[in-house]
Amino acid sequence: GQQVMQIPQYQHVQEGEDFTTYCNSSTTLSNIQWYKQRPGGHPVFLIQLVKSGEVKKQKRLTFQFGEAKKNSSLHITATQTTDVGTYFCAGPKGNQGGKLIFGQGTELSVKP
Amino acid sequence: EAGVAQSPRYKIIEKRQSVAFWCNPISGHATLYWYQQILGQGPKLLIQFQNNGVVDDSQLPKDRFSAERLKGVDSTLKIQPAKLEDSAVYLCASSLRIGGDTQYFGPGTRLTVL
Repeated sequence: GQQVMQIPQYQHVQEGEDFTTYCNSSTTLSNIQWYKQRPGGHPVFLIQLVKSGEVKKQKRLTFQFGEAKKNSSLHITATQTTDVGTYFCAGPKGNQGGKLIFGQGTELSVKP
Repeated sequence: EAGVAQSPRYKIIEKRQSVAFWCNPISGHATLYWYQQILGQGPKLLIQFQNNGVVDDSQLPKDRFSAERLKGVDSTLKIQPAKLEDSAVYLCASSLRIGGDTQYFGPGTRLTVL
């Protein structure tokens, strides 16, 4: 069945270092969404990418959707302790509107 | 606006017992989702409602799990009887429409089955 995979599973960085997580889908996606989950919290929507090759920025976060719409990345420049959490990508299943397949997430820890 | 509300926040039960979770979505949101999140994994969709109708329950273990959304607003998810492997966080989410819309998650219910 359709799968969404993320790497790495864990990333430990020193505050100020950059961080990147990669997301790959087994099928072409109509869109991809990114969520952040703080420790003990719930997923919070960050952004949705729709167009092939799309790049969006939110302050220190840069999101990219691949040309083939099967992969995506999230890059954080100069990490801060507030960036700690697990970052999930999620894509719609087939043509079933709304049903999201989540990746397993990348857990980011930041050492001050 | 108020977010998605869930209760209880924590529940500890013994295996073979029953448990029920409640969710109140954001006002006006037509679509409601129940997810199961096992520690270290991403959320897995259990069931999706559009108003009071089920859109997708293909991943719901129907021999023990049931869910309803009467009147198209609040929803309850029930497990009967619970197994050890049901220990997880149960997340409720809602979105304004169906079709790839942003999903807003509630705080979740952490279930421990002993």
